[in-house]
Amino acid sequence: KNEVEQSPQNLTAQEGEFITINCSYSVGISALHWLQQHPGGGIVSLFMLSSGKKKHGRLIATINIQEKHSSLHITASHPRDSAVYICAATPNTGNQFYFGTGTSLTVIP
Amino acid sequence: ETGVTQSPTHLIKTRGQQVTLRCSSQSGHNTVSWYQQALGQGPQFIFQYYREEENGRGNFPPRFSGLQFPNYSSELNVNALELDDSALYLCASSSTPGSLGYTFGSGTRLTVV
Repeated sequence: KNEVEQSPQNLTAQEGEFITINCSYSVGISALHWLQQHPGGGIVSLFMLSSGKKKHGRLIATINIQEKHSSLHITASHPRDSAVYICAATPNTGNQFYFGTGTSLTVIP
Repeated sequence: ETGVTQSPTHLIKTRGQQVTLRCSSQSGHNTVSWYQQALGQGPQFIFQYYREEENGRGNFPPRFSGLQFPNYSSELNVNALELDDSALYLCASSSTPGSLGYTFGSGTRLTVV
């Protein structure tokens, strides 16, 4: 069983739709990260959360520590949002990330 | 610009060969971690280096080895390549092992034929 589980694996949306990607984790964490990976492979960090909620433009990330659950929301989705979104946890012990398998998002014009 | 540069971007090798992948970290980033990402999967931790010493290792065989140099560059070496080694290899650097602020490189796409 993976330490970090994401859903859905694949998501197709119409431009303008509100999108939610979910992440659950089973380890104690010091931070939860949402990352964006484009087809070329490069990873960009979107958010790093340890509690509450963060917002950046049309992106919102929330975390519920008690339920060990985080969500990434995209409002007014756009085709340029098409990418793989990865949830990653930094555990309380150890120095590595635990990654989810990613959610492949396609936004259709 | 991410501040972390990986080379080469793409590479094709034959089964049984050896490969060296390179990562140039941001100045001041003493910690580098390497990850293997198979197609359709999340990245898997290979190992981490801190101040030129291995500082943690994932579930990868000894034919995966690394080096870190004083100039913030590092290498991932893979011997006796297998077809399953075909993947995207990512490096991520930070100032210390416990730092939560990592910067990822764009990765090296390795294909083993």
